[in-house]
Amino acid sequence: GDSVTQMEGPVTLSEEAFLTINCTYTATGYPSLFWYVQYPGEGLQLLLKATKADDKGSNKGFEATYRKETTSFHLEKGSVQVSDSAVYFCALSDGGDYKLSFGAGTTVTVRA
Amino acid sequence: GAVVSQHPSRVICKSGTSVKIECRSLDFQATTMFWYRQFPKQSLMLMATSNEGSKATYEQGVEKDKFLINHASLTLSTLTVTSAHPEDSSFYICSAPANRGHEQYFGPGTRLTVT
Repeated sequence: GDSVTQMEGPVTLSEEAFLTINCTYTATGYPSLFWYVQYPGEGLQLLLKATKADDKGSNKGFEATYRKETTSFHLEKGSVQVSDSAVYFCALSDGGDYKLSFGAGTTVTVRA
Repeated sequence: GAVVSQHPSRVICKSGTSVKIECRSLDFQATTMFWYRQFPKQSLMLMATSNEGSKATYEQGVEKDKFLINHASLTLSTLTVTSAHPEDSSFYICSAPANRGHEQYFGPGTRLTVT
């Protein structure tokens, strides 16, 4: 079945540091890939998405490229801020039922 | 953008009682909604798919008689935790797909504590 393997944290960074969170997936079809973010005390929000190979999703300075050859969708940000402290979830949706399969989540803490 | 609400945000109940959690799509219609459970510092576990006008579809290992789901309208799904026990204490989250399913919108979650 479908699965998502995500780099486990926690990750602690200083402001303006470079952030990478690795995500790889296993799917039988051609999934859509997502990164969701959960800020402290809030619900999940869609951060970015990519629906086909070589697509690059981007939002709020974050980027991720859908790499079919390596079945990966790594999240990157060049210069993090304290406000980026959150839990980040990689997810995929494969098929018409819209179900999402989530990675374990990575807790990121950015210190001033 | 699409907004999903949940009510209540927090609930404390005694062991053996039942609790109902509502999930509403505020500005769009949702024929399908999903219910998840999230344990502390863990990922979301899909519990069931709520289908408007028909029975919910439960994931393997989820007791359908314990977690009753009713999708009464195109904007409302409810999850009732029946005969709750302390091990049912968790964070329950609903979501609904919009924009032809390419995006899902999540409710803010309901923190259930069973004493």
